Amino acid sequence: AQSVSQHNHHVILSEAASLELGCNYSYGGTVNLFWYVQYPGQHLQLLLKYFSGDPLVKGIKGFEAEFIKSKFSFNLRKPSVQWSDTAEYFCAVTPRPGNTGKLIFGQGTTLQVKP
Amino acid sequence: EPEVTQTPSHQVTQMGQEVILRCVPISNHLYFYWYRQILGQKVEFLVSFYNNEISEKSEIFDDQFSVERPDGSNFTLKIRSTKLEDSAMYFCASSEISGATEAFFGQGTRLTVV
Repeated sequence: AQSVSQHNHHVILSEAASLELGCNYSYGGTVNLFWYVQYPGQHLQLLLKYFSGDPLVKGIKGFEAEFIKSKFSFNLRKPSVQWSDTAEYFCAVTPRPGNTGKLIFGQGTTLQVKP
Repeated sequence: EPEVTQTPSHQVTQMGQEVILRCVPISNHLYFYWYRQILGQKVEFLVSFYNNEISEKSEIFDDQFSVERPDGSNFTLKIRSTKLEDSAMYFCASSEISGATEAFFGQGTRLTVV
């Protein structure tokens, strides 16, 4: 079965620390990959996406992610976090053949940034 | 900025009652989705809808669930006879093209079945 696994459930960092959130997926075919963020009290918003091309993608607010096909991974990074990055982060994939747009989500990572 | 809106934000219902969760997707979007998140668990796909029919549904989406686009703007999720385990946050989403563009999510409806 298709699945997405996020390694870190709860991460606590100080401001200016670097961030890396792991994401691995289980699917034998081609996928589109996404990172969504949910700030407290708000809806899920897209941070970045990968469909094809350069495996290093840049998103909003200084986030980036690298797709490593051989490792089925799509890790999210930010060199220097801010207090305002406190949120829940979700990795998601959409299998591409026969694509209905269904997103398969990881369990989410809660990031807490201390000022 | 266009957004997906969901109503109500919170609904409390008695077990066995029918509930209808409402969503207004972004106006030029063609694909519509419902997801749910039980407290402490993953966001789970329920159903996708395109061209006035279900294009895919998950195992969760059994006969108790139905979706409808009754007019040009609303997209509804009906649960016929709610169970305690239906308590969750329900998210509506829409996209222009399935999977090739981002899905925009609403803020969710928290359903509490008592």
